[in-house]
Amino acid sequence: NAGVTQTPKFRILKIGQSMTLQCTQDMNHNYMYWYRQDPGMGLKLIYYSVGAGITDKGEVPNGYNVSRSTTEDFPLRLELAAPSQTSVYFCASSSLYGYTFGSGTRLTVV
Amino acid sequence: TQLLEQSPQFLSIQEGENLTVYCNSSSVFSSLQWYRQEPGEGPVLLVTVVTGGEVKKLKRLTFQFGDARKDSSLHITAAQPGDTGLYLCAGLYTGTASKLTFGTGTRLQVTL
Repeated sequence: NAGVTQTPKFRILKIGQSMTLQCTQDMNHNYMYWYRQDPGMGLKLIYYSVGAGITDKGEVPNGYNVSRSTTEDFPLRLELAAPSQTSVYFCASSSLYGYTFGSGTRLTVV
Repeated sequence: TQLLEQSPQFLSIQEGENLTVYCNSSSVFSSLQWYRQEPGEGPVLLVTVVTGGEVKKLKRLTFQFGDARKDSSLHITAAQPGDTGLYLCAGLYTGTASKLTFGTGTRLQVTL
């Protein structure tokens, strides 16, 4: 049971670079989410999707973009990396019973 | 933006002690979940509570949902080193389309 798979696990970016964080789930969940977690803090919602082709902004969407072309995949795009985007990023999917999280991507922008 | 407060932020106790973590909001939840997160991993769901006044037990963990559905608590009996981790409460507010709002977390350390 793979659940939610995120890649890469770690990444260092230079200011202004771009990258895509990958997220795939094999549970056929319609709902998927991207959160960021800063040190000592809870999780803040960046973007979410209620199904293929449908995405919406969360609490902290600035500097990020998402797409949802299939039920399984929900990539997060950073276009112009900034030091403020240094964080741990978690992808999750949900059913009626709760959320399933990936193991996270630790991103450092220098 | 709904605010979900957890207390305490940090807790360091010895094996065998009991502890309680609190989660409070000024708004009503349609449901509330508790997660546990270990270093380098994503949060893992422990329990979901839905009904005001509901009490759920998971071995040595007891979860309670307030009667007014604005607060919740997690009680651990006879804590063990394996209970060490970050405990997060997360609330689903009415009309938020399955978007959880997370508390800031309680970091628990249990030592021998």
